[in-house]
Amino acid sequence: EIVLTQSPGTLSLSPGERATLSCRASQSVSTSLAWYQQKPGQAPRLLIFGVSSRATGIPDRFSGSGSGTDFTLTISRLEPEDFAVYYCQQYTGSRTFGQGTKVEIK
Amino acid sequence: QVQLVQSGSELKKPGASVTVSCKASGYTFTQYAINWLRQAPGQGPEWMGWINMYTEHPAYAPGFTGRFVFSLDTSVSTAYLQINSLKAEDTAVYYCARHVVPTDFDQWGQGTLVTVSS
Repeated sequence: EIVLTQSPGTLSLSPGERATLSCRASQSVSTSLAWYQQKPGQAPRLLIFGVSSRATGIPDRFSGSGSGTDFTLTISRLEPEDFAVYYCQQYTGSRTFGQGTKVEIK
Repeated sequence: QVQLVQSGSELKKPGASVTVSCKASGYTFTQYAINWLRQAPGQGPEWMGWINMYTEHPAYAPGFTGRFVFSLDTSVSTAYLQINSLKAEDTAVYYCARHVVPTDFDQWGQGTLVTVSS
């Protein structure tokens, strides 16, 4: 099973600041890497697929990068609605998720 | 618009069974596979497996064989998850999600909380 490790566990930032979230895979996932946003009481929402492609309706302040085993989700300027938990997910065959990074208001 | 609407919360005793439904609308139901995921309190989602919309053959992820059953009723565009012999550790929110290439899980149901308690 491919294990995804996200860091940091919690990111405390202010609106308008830049957020950088990391995801490391235990083995290469090629480009089969997605990012999701989850708010309390809601289902995860797809943000990024294929490492760097934004899903429909996702603002361009969200961007993904990386390759192989190391990936990054960047939120260029945090809006109030961006404070949430973010998960990376690999879909090489089976599917696994990271444990999440909580982006909280500082 | 595309929607997956799940059935409501359930409270069950250990040893009982539960069925969660996932009704699709806004697209051709048989065109995209339905996957099931579990999210325990405070944890990330965990993939349980998927069901082939044409053959209705299920595929279960490791750890979800034996007590878990995926099924379909294509006449009403609905997928089902049945969990038998419920245990306290099955307490979680269960999601259905549509699998689309290349985005993977592009649409999720709203989730169904299953609580197992005596």
